[in-house]
This record gives sequence, structure tokens and C-alpha cells, in this order.
Amino acid sequence: KQEVTQIPAALSVPEGENLVLNCSFTDSAIYNLQWFRQDPGKGLTSLLLIQSSQREQTSGRLNASLDKSSGRSTLYIAASQPGDSATYLCAVRPDTGGSQGNLIFGKGTKLSVKP
Amino acid sequence: EPEVTQTPSHQVTQMGQEVILRCVPISNHLYFYWYRQILGQKVEFLVSFYNNEISEKSEIFDDQFSVERPDGSNFTLKIRSTKLEDSAMYFCASSELGEGWHTEAFFGQGTRLTVV
Repeated sequence: KQEVTQIPAALSVPEGENLVLNCSFTDSAIYNLQWFRQDPGKGLTSLLLIQSSQREQTSGRLNASLDKSSGRSTLYIAASQPGDSATYLCAVRPDTGGSQGNLIFGKGTKLSVKP
Repeated sequence: EPEVTQTPSHQVTQMGQEVILRCVPISNHLYFYWYRQILGQKVEFLVSFYNNEISEKSEIFDDQFSVERPDGSNFTLKIRSTKLEDSAMYFCASSELGEGWHTEAFFGQGTRLTVV
């Protein structure tokens, strides 16, 4: 059974710092991995999608990497800002042999960027 | 920018009552999903829907739950005889049926269901 773990559970950094959020998954048979942002009491905003054949994706100050064989992904945030404060969720879409499989989520990393 | 919209944003219901949560997926998307997040816990998959039928469902999605696409734009989740433990944030999501099935899922803002 696929399990997704995110470390650390919470992180507090001063503004301007570069930071890395970690995600690991137990079964390397995935179609893709998606990083989301969740603000308190709000929905999920998709940040980056990495296909299983890709190694990384970039969007602005965000860079996500994927090492499928070792079951790991990282989300790198450059020059963090207070507006980056949110919970960051990692989710994998298992390779179920053809169907559009559902996403399996980690519990998230709660990021706080202090001015 | 196209988005998934959900109504209502917050629903309070009495235990035992039926509720219907509504979603309007992104218009050119063909796969629709419901997920839920109990406070402080992980987002959990409930059901996926494609071509007017359920394509996959989790253990959570028992006979108490049903989904429907009553017209060309809406996608609904019905919860019959609600229980206290059904209190959660319910998210609707949709994705475009793309090449190789490797498509991005877009989520709505959620409906917070409180069962009292």
C-alpha cells in the first residue's frame, strides 16, 4: 500500500532564506507527483506536477525534483517570503495499470516565513 | 483562469440528515473526483468519476455516499444519514483526460461540512 511521508511536519524560517521540503513515498510505481499549497481553511492550489519520466520542474521561485527509484521528491523554495507561509502537500498518483488513479497525499509541511 | 467551484462553502447539518455537496468542474475536464480532509488529518480519496460512472472508489465511499452528474456542468456528492464522523472538508477536483493519463488535478476551495 502506497504511503506518503513529509518531513518536517513544520518549519519556521526568516524571510529571504532558501528552504527544502521533503516528500517520500513507499512504492515507486507512480504516474506523477504533484505539490500543492493549502492556506488555512482553504482549498488546494496546484504548484507543480512532475511526470514519472521527469527529474524536475520549475515555476518561478519553486523547483521540485523527483527521484522515482528512491521514492523521494523535494520542493525547493528560493528567497522565501511571508506570503509563502502555508501548508505544502505532496501527492502521488499510483500507476494502477491504465486507469486514472487517485492521488495519495502526505500530511504536509506547515511553513511559516517570519518577516 | 478556469477553476473548480464548490457550493456551499460551509454546511451545517443535523446527524441523520442528507446533504448534497455541489461542484462545477473545469469545463473541458473529463475526470472528476471527491476527496475529504478531516481536521488535522491527510487528504483522503473518496471517489473518481468518468464517462458518467464511478471509475474508482475507496473504502470510505460506502453505501452512505453517492455521486451524480445531473447535467453537463455539475457534479454532486450526496451523503445520506450523516454521522458526526462525516464532519470534514470535502474537496472536488477535476483533471483533463490527457495523453498517457498523466494529467494535473485541480481542486476546488472545498465545502466544510459540520454534522451536529
